[in-house]
Amino acid sequence: QVRLVESGGDVVRPGRSLRLSCAASGLTFSRYTMHWVRQAPGKGLDWVAVIAYDENKKFYANSVKGRFTISRDNSKNTVYLQMNSLGPEDTAVYYCATGKYQLLLAAPLDVWGKGTSVTVAS
Amino acid sequence: SYVLTQPPSLSVAPGQTARVTCGGNNVGGKVVHWYQQRPGQAPVLVVFDDNDRPAGISERFSGSNSGNTAILTISRAEAGDEADYYCQVWDSSSDHPVFGGGTKLTVL
Repeated sequence: QVRLVESGGDVVRPGRSLRLSCAASGLTFSRYTMHWVRQAPGKGLDWVAVIAYDENKKFYANSVKGRFTISRDNSKNTVYLQMNSLGPEDTAVYYCATGKYQLLLAAPLDVWGKGTSVTVAS
Repeated sequence: SYVLTQPPSLSVAPGQTARVTCGGNNVGGKVVHWYQQRPGQAPVLVVFDDNDRPAGISERFSGSNSGNTAILTISRAEAGDEADYYCQVWDSSSDHPVFGGGTKLTVL
């Protein structure tokens, strides 16, 4: 059974940085696309970033481009989201999710973690 | 970038059929996926590739996609189907997924 566990969420002040982690198990991690998706309180799903299975492609939402960086360590079955210059608009639950099909960037988001909460407030 | 439009809310009586719509410019030319999110829980994929179901998803869930509208159909609605439902496509012009705004389904 595929399992994703996010960690690293916290309460931080505006302008600070935070790194989220997502540990995967139950799949050949190195063959799957990984996403970060966030959800602000009471709002809908907001896609953040995607990284290809071999890290050769990374794409970001315009709202985080230049501030957030997605990366992965296939030896540790883990994907990361480095978040810099955080603002109140980044307050959300952050989910990681895996693509359904091996190697395919545009696969549906098959398995989701339970999320980790990030609050940006002074 | 590509926009998907969903009605904010939908109500259906128990045992009736709910149809959640997802509008987009020629969305029928794209592949649509649907997610269910119960309160306080992570999203769950319930329909993928327009009309396929993942293992373990009830056959009461089905999808269709044509023209400018994709539809998630929930037959014989149950109280446990109360949730937010999101449609999603891949925007190939910007290489990322796009979600609809979500529809809150109430079964009463």
